[in-house]
Amino acid sequence: EVQLVESGGGLVQPGGSLRLSCAASGFTFSGSWMSWVRQAPGKGLEWVANIKQDGSEKYYVDSVKGRFTISRDNAKNSLYLQMNSLRAEDTAVYYCARDIRSGPYYMDVWGKGTTVTVSS
Amino acid sequence: SYVLTQPPSVSVAPGQTARITCGGNNIGGKSVHWYQQKPGRAPVLVVYDDSDRPSGIPERFSGSNSGNTATLTISRVEAGDEADYYCQVWDSSSDHYVFGTGTKVTVL
Repeated sequence: EVQLVESGGGLVQPGGSLRLSCAASGFTFSGSWMSWVRQAPGKGLEWVANIKQDGSEKYYVDSVKGRFTISRDNAKNSLYLQMNSLRAEDTAVYYCARDIRSGPYYMDVWGKGTTVTVSS
Repeated sequence: SYVLTQPPSVSVAPGQTARITCGGNNIGGKSVHWYQQKPGRAPVLVVYDDSDRPSGIPERFSGSNSGNTATLTISRVEAGDEADYYCQVWDSSSDHYVFGTGTKVTVL
């Protein structure tokens, strides 16, 4: 069964840091682009970042550039999101998702999400 | 940046047809994908590449895309279809995924 399981969320003060993890199983992780998508309370979906299979290409939404870093460890079948200089507006459920990029680009498998709350 | 606009809400009676629109500049030239999200759950892909369905998604879900509007159609609506629905495209000019604003489907 294809599965993505996020962890690492929690309560953090503004200006603080947090590292999210996503454990993948049931598919060839090293063969897939991967994304992070977030959803603020009561709001819609917002794509945050994605990373190529070998980590050589990374893309970010403008609002997190310079603060968040996406990375992966193919030997551990894991995806990460290092979040620094956190702001209240980063409060959200963060999902990892598998990218499909064989022609059209979309996300076909999603984890259940991990909640990040930025508050003093 | 590319913007996708959806109606905030759509209401439909059981057994009827729900149509959810997704507007964007020349969206007909892009591939559009649709996700269903039930309260407290992760999104689920229901239509990809304008009109294809992943395995396990009922035939009641269909999609179309032309001009400046893409549409997700849910035929013979059931109570279990009540959810938020999001359209999504890839904006090649920015190398970003873009989601629509989301539509809440209410089954009366």
